[in-house]
Amino acid sequence: VTQSSRYLVKRTGEKVFLECVQDMDHENMFWYRQDPGMGLKLIYYSVGAGITDKGEVPNGYNVSRSTTEDFPLRLELAAPSQTSVYFCASSSDRNTEAFFGQGTRLTVV
Amino acid sequence: AQSVTQPDIHITVSEGASLELRCNYSYGATPYLFWYVQSPGQGLQLLLKYFSGDTLVQGIKGFEAEFKRSQSSFNLRKPSVHWSDAAEYFCAVGALSNTGKLIFGQGTTLQVKP
Repeated sequence: VTQSSRYLVKRTGEKVFLECVQDMDHENMFWYRQDPGMGLKLIYYSVGAGITDKGEVPNGYNVSRSTTEDFPLRLELAAPSQTSVYFCASSSDRNTEAFFGQGTRLTVV
Repeated sequence: AQSVTQPDIHITVSEGASLELRCNYSYGATPYLFWYVQSPGQGLQLLLKYFSGDTLVQGIKGFEAEFKRSQSSFNLRKPSVHWSDAAEYFCAVGALSNTGKLIFGQGTTLQVKP
């Protein structure tokens, strides 16, 4: 799972685009955010191309899944509360592990 | 609601000492359970997983975990800790719906003293 950006700094109100690509032909893909002491929270997920659904903390985010490989995350109006580390992950089905990208540390100033 | 609790936010052990990290879950059926490790600035790496069968599962890097249904626990253990084990450890449970979603605990940070 590849996340192209490791660190991003954006201003409040800007659009943010976080890329995520996997080459394992996994059906399932996920976006999590990690905040100190909070573990990882699911933002959005997808169980196949053209199918997306909200996770636990979807507000302020959008996703799309036009192909099996790509699952980008968009922040239309970045806010300081969205400062976090974002992880993309993929899995082949429920019974196997999720593979995580390296994460993107986003700071919104 | 499904949930995972890791009661210890921070643990410090001496190198060579044994380690046990606690994990309790709340789940409506037989859970799928995972332990992940995150080294500083890195993504998450799977240490081990439990789906069914033997309740004592072996993982990578000398870690093991025991599933105890009666206690709703899935504690991670290692007999002798190495300095390179210093990291953050996450317990996770597979969500009820068949989608591969994971619910994570808050994480336990392990510090290893020389």
